[in-house]
Amino acid sequence: AQSVAQPEDQVNVAEGNPLTVKCTYSVSGNPYLFWYVQYPNRGLQFLLKYITGDNLVKGSYGFEAEFNKSQTSFHLKKPSALVSDSALYFCAVRPMEYGNKLVFGAGTILRVKS
Amino acid sequence: DTAVSQTPKYLVTQMGNDKSIKCEQNLGHDTMYWYKQDSKKFLKIMFSYNNKELIINETVPNRFSPKSPDKAHLNLHINSLELGDSAVYFCASSQGPQPNEKLFFGSGTQLSVL
Repeated sequence: AQSVAQPEDQVNVAEGNPLTVKCTYSVSGNPYLFWYVQYPNRGLQFLLKYITGDNLVKGSYGFEAEFNKSQTSFHLKKPSALVSDSALYFCAVRPMEYGNKLVFGAGTILRVKS
Repeated sequence: DTAVSQTPKYLVTQMGNDKSIKCEQNLGHDTMYWYKQDSKKFLKIMFSYNNKELIINETVPNRFSPKSPDKAHLNLHINSLELGDSAVYFCASSQGPQPNEKLFFGSGTQLSVL
């Protein structure tokens, strides 16, 4: 069975500094990997996904994520954080085989302070 | 125009009651989902339908019954509500059931069972 770990409940960063939100996964076979963001009282919004090819994936709002197969990680990054990036971030994994479900991590709260 | 809309936004009810949550998407997607988010923000899939057919049915009590009258709608009916059913329920859709598809989420229905 697949699983996703987000080891940090919360990440605090100053505005303008780079940010990293960590994610590791466990899945049999090759996975598709996703990041979603949830703002207060809102549904999740898709940020980016890794399917195949280049290990560095670029997504919405200046975010990017790096797929590392040997470390089974898919960390979310941004070179310069904004206060408006403060939200709850979810990493998710889904095996490539049809019929498997998308499994989410527990989420990481990102707080960007001015 | 809201892409995935669910009603009601808030639902407060007594134990033992029966209630429904409605979901509609205007994206022309074939696949729809119900997710449950608990008080710790943990997200878990409940059901998935593709073109009105059930394709994912997680281990949820049979008090929960999804109904898809057409591919644009996926409603969730809950019988004999229990305290533990209190959560935020999210509807989502994707273009198809392929595992690399991104999901579009509604803004959630906060269910409180008293």
